[in-house]
Amino acid sequence: QVPLQESGPGLVKPSETLSLTCSVSRGSISSYYWSWIRQTPGRGPQWIGYIYHSTGSKYNPSLKRRVTISLDTSKSQFSLNLTSVTAADTAVYYCARGSFAAGGMYSWFDPWGPGLLVTVSS
Amino acid sequence: QSLLTQPPSASGTPGQRVVISCAGTSSNIGGNTVSWYQQLPGTAPTLLIYTNDQRSSGLPDRISGSKSGTSASLAISGLRSEDEAHYYCAAWDDSLKAVVFGGGTKLTVL
Repeated sequence: QVPLQESGPGLVKPSETLSLTCSVSRGSISSYYWSWIRQTPGRGPQWIGYIYHSTGSKYNPSLKRRVTISLDTSKSQFSLNLTSVTAADTAVYYCARGSFAAGGMYSWFDPWGPGLLVTVSS
Repeated sequence: QSLLTQPPSASGTPGQRVVISCAGTSSNIGGNTVSWYQQLPGTAPTLLIYTNDQRSSGLPDRISGSKSGTSASLAISGLRSEDEAHYYCAAWDDSLKAVVFGGGTKLTVL
């Protein structure tokens, strides 16, 4: 069983909201920093943000105005909402379990979900 | 352009040792730890190294990580065909207040 699995629409229209969900099948979702990361072809990944059950969320400042990450512990899921999308938001979106400590001094992501290609197009 | 600079490509023959570099600044690698990821074609990245030099579970000791100042390196000894992949470094950036990734290095086994 895949420990993390992304789900959601593979096609979103410009100016609309991209909404994805990640299902966590192993371990407690009340621990760790549950993260979203995206990647466009030929480029390095881009961290979008994370949510931690007791301290809330933190977002990449470059996306902060448009991003919301939420947590549903009853369903062992966490979600990503990205508003006002454009073609530049076309990417493979990954969910990942993050480990953070000392204000980010220690950080890594393991495991990652298989990824979901989301295309923004009319 | 990524804040962490990696060479776009590297190569070696089977059995050789290859080193992939990751150059940063005092706001990222200089003050925070580095992680490394391997991405095989069409798959998600997987963690290789965390906290500069700690191997992920099950990673053979022919793969190692190190950090010095504002740079980090990933070394792969006894190169194998299955090592052919993209490799990415990552670290927290204190100025951006975000995790930043390198642009990636494509390793080719000749």
